[in-house]
Amino acid sequence: DQQVKQNSPSLSVQEGRISILNCDYTNSMFDYFLWYKKYPAEGPTFLISISSIKDKNEDGRFTVFLNKSAKHLSLHIVPSQPGDSAVYFCAASRTGGTSYGKLTFGQGTILTVHP
Amino acid sequence: DVKVTQSSRYLVKRTGEKVFLECVQDMDHENMFWYRQDPGLGLRLIYFSYDVKMKEKGDIPEGYSVSREKKERFSLILESASTNQTSMYLCASSLQYKQPQHFGDGTRLSIL
Repeated sequence: DQQVKQNSPSLSVQEGRISILNCDYTNSMFDYFLWYKKYPAEGPTFLISISSIKDKNEDGRFTVFLNKSAKHLSLHIVPSQPGDSAVYFCAASRTGGTSYGKLTFGQGTILTVHP
Repeated sequence: DVKVTQSSRYLVKRTGEKVFLECVQDMDHENMFWYRQDPGLGLRLIYFSYDVKMKEKGDIPEGYSVSREKKERFSLILESASTNQTSMYLCASSLQYKQPQHFGDGTRLSIL
């Protein structure tokens, strides 16, 4: 039962254009969402997060959008750079009760940005 | 700066061996987590700990156990290693439940 899904295994984009990575979730109890970036042979690094009380959060070139009614979030990278080439994971959490911040991850999307 | 250190980057063990993976964080974080990453499956939670000597099962705990005797150290134990436990193992820590988790660089474990 995959509660967080990234349906695109890979995405290829030209340098300078926009990259849009998508993520869907099924558990309506999730209220905190994160994006991580992972290079080969390194651990995932935190990129950006959003709480369910918001529908948008920006940090420099990265913007995350949340559509609660559709249970969908997306990460926009503008402009894309070759150094952005990595695997991107979305993750979701239920922050109340005894969740202790457990994260449920999607399968990941490999982003390749061509010069 | 945040630092999560996993004791080995690469490890090769034989089936039936007892395997220990060690993780240390230097940020005084309450919560620590063990995941495994497999192609097409993303990261899956094995076990986590929210305090010293406290632990809870994640989504795939079978064949694993954990130990947290000190706040900064969280160990993953493969009781009797099997080939289907060949994977990338990632340790993470976080301060509070609404704070992002910080990851180590992972241990690539091969069971022969």
